[in-house]
Amino acid sequence: AQSVSQHNHHVILSEAASLELGCNYSYGGTVNLFWYVQYPGQHLQLLLKYFSGDPLVKGIKGFEAEFIKSKFSFNLRKPSVQWSDTAEYFCAVNAASGGSYIPTFGRGTSLIVHP
Amino acid sequence: KAGVTQTPRYLIKTRGQQVTLSCSPISGHRSVSWYQQTPGQGLQFLFEYFSETQRNKGNFPGRFSGRQFSNSRSEMNVSTLELGDSALYLCASSLAGRQNSPLHFGNGTRLTVT
Repeated sequence: AQSVSQHNHHVILSEAASLELGCNYSYGGTVNLFWYVQYPGQHLQLLLKYFSGDPLVKGIKGFEAEFIKSKFSFNLRKPSVQWSDTAEYFCAVNAASGGSYIPTFGRGTSLIVHP
Repeated sequence: KAGVTQTPRYLIKTRGQQVTLSCSPISGHRSVSWYQQTPGQGLQFLFEYFSETQRNKGNFPGRFSGRQFSNSRSEMNVSTLELGDSALYLCASSLAGRQNSPLHFGNGTRLTVT
């Protein structure tokens, strides 16, 4: 069965610091990769996605992620975080399963940005 | 366009009871999936419905079941509730339910089992 690992469970940064959240998955077939974000009191929403093509994808609010197939990784980055980036971040993989797919999420990373 | 709507927002039940949660997807979305979110386990996939058919199921006991109606609205039922079923239950919809379809989440139903 596929799995998704997010290495950092809690990250605390000061504003303007750079961010990198790790995500590794285990699945040998075709995958579609996502990062979702859950701001305090809000529902989960899509941050960015990778299907194919350029392995460096850009999302909303200055976030980007790089797909490295050889490392089974899809790390999320932002050069300079803001207080408003305080949220929980989830990496997700949709792996093919019998004509459909199974979505698997990481356990999430809680990011706190101090002003 | 209205987002994914889940009702009720909060539920308190006692062990042994059963509960039904409801989800209305975004208009036009035909795929609805359900997740259990807990602090220790993150989001765990329960099942996914597309055009009234369950296409995939996660590793949950048979006490967890669901269905989808012809208007794509979905319900999830948990029977014989256990304390460990306390969690936030999230519903998500997607347009075509394909592998590359992003999910649109509701605000969830917070279930507390006492």
